[in-house]
Amino acid sequence: GAVVSQHPSRVICKSGTSVKIECRSLDFQATTMFWYRQFPKKSLMLMATSNEGSKATYEQGVEKDKFLINHASLTLSTLTVTSAHPEDSSFYICSAEGVAGWDTQYFGPGTRLTVL
Amino acid sequence: AQTVTQSQPEMSVQEAETVTLSCTYDTSESDYYLFWYKQPPSRQMILVIRQEAYKQQNATENRFSVNFQKAAKSFSLKISDSQLGDAAMYFCAYRSEMNYGGSQGNLIFGKGTKLSVKP
Repeated sequence: GAVVSQHPSRVICKSGTSVKIECRSLDFQATTMFWYRQFPKKSLMLMATSNEGSKATYEQGVEKDKFLINHASLTLSTLTVTSAHPEDSSFYICSAEGVAGWDTQYFGPGTRLTVL
Repeated sequence: AQTVTQSQPEMSVQEAETVTLSCTYDTSESDYYLFWYKQPPSRQMILVIRQEAYKQQNATENRFSVNFQKAAKSFSLKISDSQLGDAAMYFCAYRSEMNYGGSQGNLIFGKGTKLSVKP
């Protein structure tokens, strides 16, 4: 149980384009989903928190208009990197908390984004 | 604000031996949760073990156990009978029980400890 998937696992795009990353909870309903960014050999940096049906809460320093988050249902959240630039290249990880295990986050496998 | 400190950037253990990874944290709260996550080279974050602060008994999961010292704000992870598959980055994390406005009990991570297992 408690499986979270992410798609795509890798994406390469040109500078100026937008990229959408999906995060799905496969076997539980996720009341809250989290989006992280991880630089090489570093810890996870929380970008934003989202609850189903409401606006995401962004951490200080994270541009809302650049990193659009939509939590459309209890099993799906999406992160769209708009007008991507090379400095947006990173490893993006989502996690989800469910109704049953609300105090434990389960992580997706991550998405490697490379912006050329 | 809460902080999590992992003072060992790298650790090494011989296969089948025991290793302990240290973690300390700072908080003024009395109720919270602590976690150890493992991140192997695949980069998938895997929950290893969790501990509720109100429980005095140390959590165990097969070869993994913790030494939770609430007064000392210490939460170390012991891996017994180490296996090659245990090689990974290990992150200690703190979660408040309370939701603060938009923070909603976010995880606060330490910087991680890279564990190598020698055959």
